[in-house]
Amino acid sequence: NAGVTQTPKFQVLKTGQSMTLQCAQDMNHEYMSWYRQDPGMGLRLIHYSVGAGITDQGEVPNGYNVSRSTTEDFPLRLLSAAPSQTSVYFCASSYGWETGNTIYFGEGSWLTVV
Amino acid sequence: GQQLNQSPQSMFIQEGEDVSMNCTSSSIFNTWLWYKQDPGEGPVLLIALYKAGELTSNGRLTAQFGITRKDSFLNISASIPSDVGIYFCAGHSGGSNYKLTFGKGTLLTVNP
Repeated sequence: NAGVTQTPKFQVLKTGQSMTLQCAQDMNHEYMSWYRQDPGMGLRLIHYSVGAGITDQGEVPNGYNVSRSTTEDFPLRLLSAAPSQTSVYFCASSYGWETGNTIYFGEGSWLTVV
Repeated sequence: GQQLNQSPQSMFIQEGEDVSMNCTSSSIFNTWLWYKQDPGEGPVLLIALYKAGELTSNGRLTAQFGITRKDSFLNISASIPSDVGIYFCAGHSGGSNYKLTFGKGTLLTVNP
């Protein structure tokens, strides 16, 4: 988990509230992404970015927004939280897909929407 | 979308036993990755495979990239209590989209 920092670690929201999960990496990685992990579902890609100013949707993007204004930061925004967004969220970063590179994950953010 | 079937879902073994788990895909992958996740932590990469047929070891762990490019397996030899956790396979189909598809995980419990 070296170099990928997520905040907050835990958060409880009320339905309809908004919040931003922060992700920062200090490894000058081009690629950053957000996954959510639900019991029995593995990790599912929400949004990803291949560089500053470039973002794209993953497998489950609805209800989430992202932006990539700098190489280091990739925040995930929930504009109007819903109970279905209760999950564990992981940010990940990678330098690229050349042999020897890998994806590093943050330690996770536990979100509960009540 | 691409589907990854990972099996078994869970395993309960005795310390010292060998373990095997595998993933199969409905489509071809160019990269296979195996991760381990400890409770309350993010996934950590164990082994990366980049060529069909490739067999790679990392200590007591061995993984192979299937020749058809649609499957991969992970073996753990002589299991120890700290092997407990969830193991995930992940595949990448190539290109610059950087999208990984994850299996649903194998929960491993090791009885001392």
